[in-house]
Parts: sequence; structure tokens; C-alpha cells
Amino acid sequence: GENVEQHPSTLSVQEGDSAVIKCTYSDSASNYFPWYKQELGKRPQLIIDIRSNVGEKKDQRIAVTLNKTAKHFSLHITETQPEDSAVYFCAAWMDSSYKLIFGSGTRLLVRP
Amino acid sequence: NAGVTQTPKFQVLKTGQSMTLQCAQDMNHNSMYWYRQDPGMGLRLIYYSASEGTTDKGEVPNGYNVSRLNKREFSLRLESAAPSQTSVYFCASSEGTSGSGEQFFGPGTRLTVL
Repeated sequence: GENVEQHPSTLSVQEGDSAVIKCTYSDSASNYFPWYKQELGKRPQLIIDIRSNVGEKKDQRIAVTLNKTAKHFSLHITETQPEDSAVYFCAAWMDSSYKLIFGSGTRLLVRP
Repeated sequence: NAGVTQTPKFQVLKTGQSMTLQCAQDMNHNSMYWYRQDPGMGLRLIYYSASEGTTDKGEVPNGYNVSRLNKREFSLRLESAAPSQTSVYFCASSEGTSGSGEQFFGPGTRLTVL
């Protein structure tokens, strides 16, 4: 069935270090992969997204890479700051079933 | 612009009671969605509406009904609440009818069913 697996579930890094979160998806027809950040008690907000015709996308300290053959995509945050501490969700858009399937989330803690 | 708004923010129900969660967006978006968020399980789609006048089931539709009242409003109804429906409910909207674009979320409704 349609599935998005996300790892790790928790990640603790020192301020200034990099953080990497990985996701795999099951449906080879998926063509849109957004990443959402959710601060405690707040709503999810889009931070970056990538479409299947692109292998990498960057926005300042955030980058996403996509490997369609292996069906996995990753979020990279460089020079982490305490305000990056939040839960991050990956998702994959299933065109065949018209659904955005979310991963289970990664709780990122950036230690000052 | 207020974006996506939801009411109420918090609600406590007894098992068997009914209620309607309201959602409205002022961005002239075509698609609207209802998700539930449970600890450790991410966001799961309950129902969606790709355009005014259409609704379809998501991953976890059992126990829920929806109404796309007009382009702005999309409500979620629990006819007979159960403890398993204790969750945080998020409404979202996106511009296109294809759905593969940024979704804007409301602030959420925290529902407890006793």
C-alpha cells in the first residue's frame, strides 16, 4: 500500500552541526515531495518541496535531495540553530490516489 | 488575510455525542483537506475536497462525514464520537485542483472524547 517511512524519529545535534532526515516512499508514481516543519503547539508549515523532475533543491541552509530510482528523499539542514528545533515531516504526493501521505515525523533538537 | 481558520480550538465530548468542526479559508483555494494528528503517527488524511461540490475519502474516513459548503468552507462532522477519535484535527487548503502543491494549514482543533 501507500507508505512513507521516515528516519530517525528523534535527532539531537550541536548548534552549528548539520542534520539529515531521510524518507522512503512506496509508490513509484509519486511526483511531489514536500517537507513541513511543526513547532510545538503550532500548525505544520512548508519549508521546502521538490518535484520528481529535479534531483536537488536548495534554499539557504536547507536542501532536499531526491533519488527516484531508490525511491528516497532527504532533508539536509546545515549550520543548525536552536530555532531549528521542531518536528519535521516528509510527505509524498500520490497522484494515483490524490493523497499526500506523511511520514511519522522527526523530532529535531538543536543543543546550544 | 486570515489564511485558514478553524473553530473551535478545543473541545471535550462524551462518547456518543456529535459535533461539527468548522474550517474556512480566504485564499480562494480550490482544494481543502481534513487531517488528524496522533502522537508518533504524523498526519493522516480523513477527507478531502478537490473543488467546490466534490468530496472524497482519505486514509481514515470511518466515523466522519464532511460538507464542502462553498468554496471557502469545509466542515467535518463526528456523528457519534468515540475515544479513538481523540486527536488534533487540522484543516488545510491548496490552490490547485490537482493537490500537488503547498498546503496551508489551520491552527488545529484539539478534541478529547471521554
